[in-house]
Amino acid sequence: EVQLVESGGGLVQPGRSLKLSCAASGFTFSNYYMAWVRQAPTKGLEWVASITNSGGSTYYRDSVKGRFTISRDNAKSTLYLQMDSLRSEDTATYYCTRGAGPYWGQGTLVTVSS
Amino acid sequence: DIQMTQSPPSLSASLGDKVTITCQASQNINKYIAWYQQKPGKAPRLLIRYTSTLESGTPSRFSGSGSGRDYSFSISNVESEDIASYYCLQYDNLFTFGSGTKLEIK
Repeated sequence: EVQLVESGGGLVQPGRSLKLSCAASGFTFSNYYMAWVRQAPTKGLEWVASITNSGGSTYYRDSVKGRFTISRDNAKSTLYLQMDSLRSEDTATYYCTRGAGPYWGQGTLVTVSS
Repeated sequence: DIQMTQSPPSLSASLGDKVTITCQASQNINKYIAWYQQKPGKAPRLLIRYTSTLESGTPSRFSGSGSGRDYSFSISNVESEDIASYYCLQYDNLFTFGSGTKLEIK
């Protein structure tokens, strides 16, 4: 059974950093393109970042470029999102997804507030 | 970047009605569009991929069509369990979600 389990969310002050993790199981992690998607409270879904299966290429939405870094450890079957210089508008539930498919984690809530 | 214009933002339907949601891309997305259903507090559920391919477990009352820039998603014979928000997603070039459609029952 495919499982994606996010962790690392929480309350953080503006300007600080947070690192999210997504532990994958039930499939060969190194074969798949992975992504982070977020959803602000009462708002819609928003793609944040993607990474190719080898980790050789990464992609970001404009509003997080230079602040967020997506990475992966294929030996540990884990996806990461390093979030620096956090802003209040980054407050959201963050989901990891296996490509544009049916497999999503349960989400982890990040709240940026003083 | 590809933009996705989804409409309407909300729908009110009676049980048994047919409803249709549209998404227009800012450029040709070669049928690489998926449709998700999301209920409050839950992760999105994939219903349809590649324009019209139903995901395993998706009831046949759901359907999708389109090409080029214009796509639609329909629910025939709306049931109470269909109360949710629906999102389109283009995955031809990175990912872009539509703004969502909230379905309510009259």
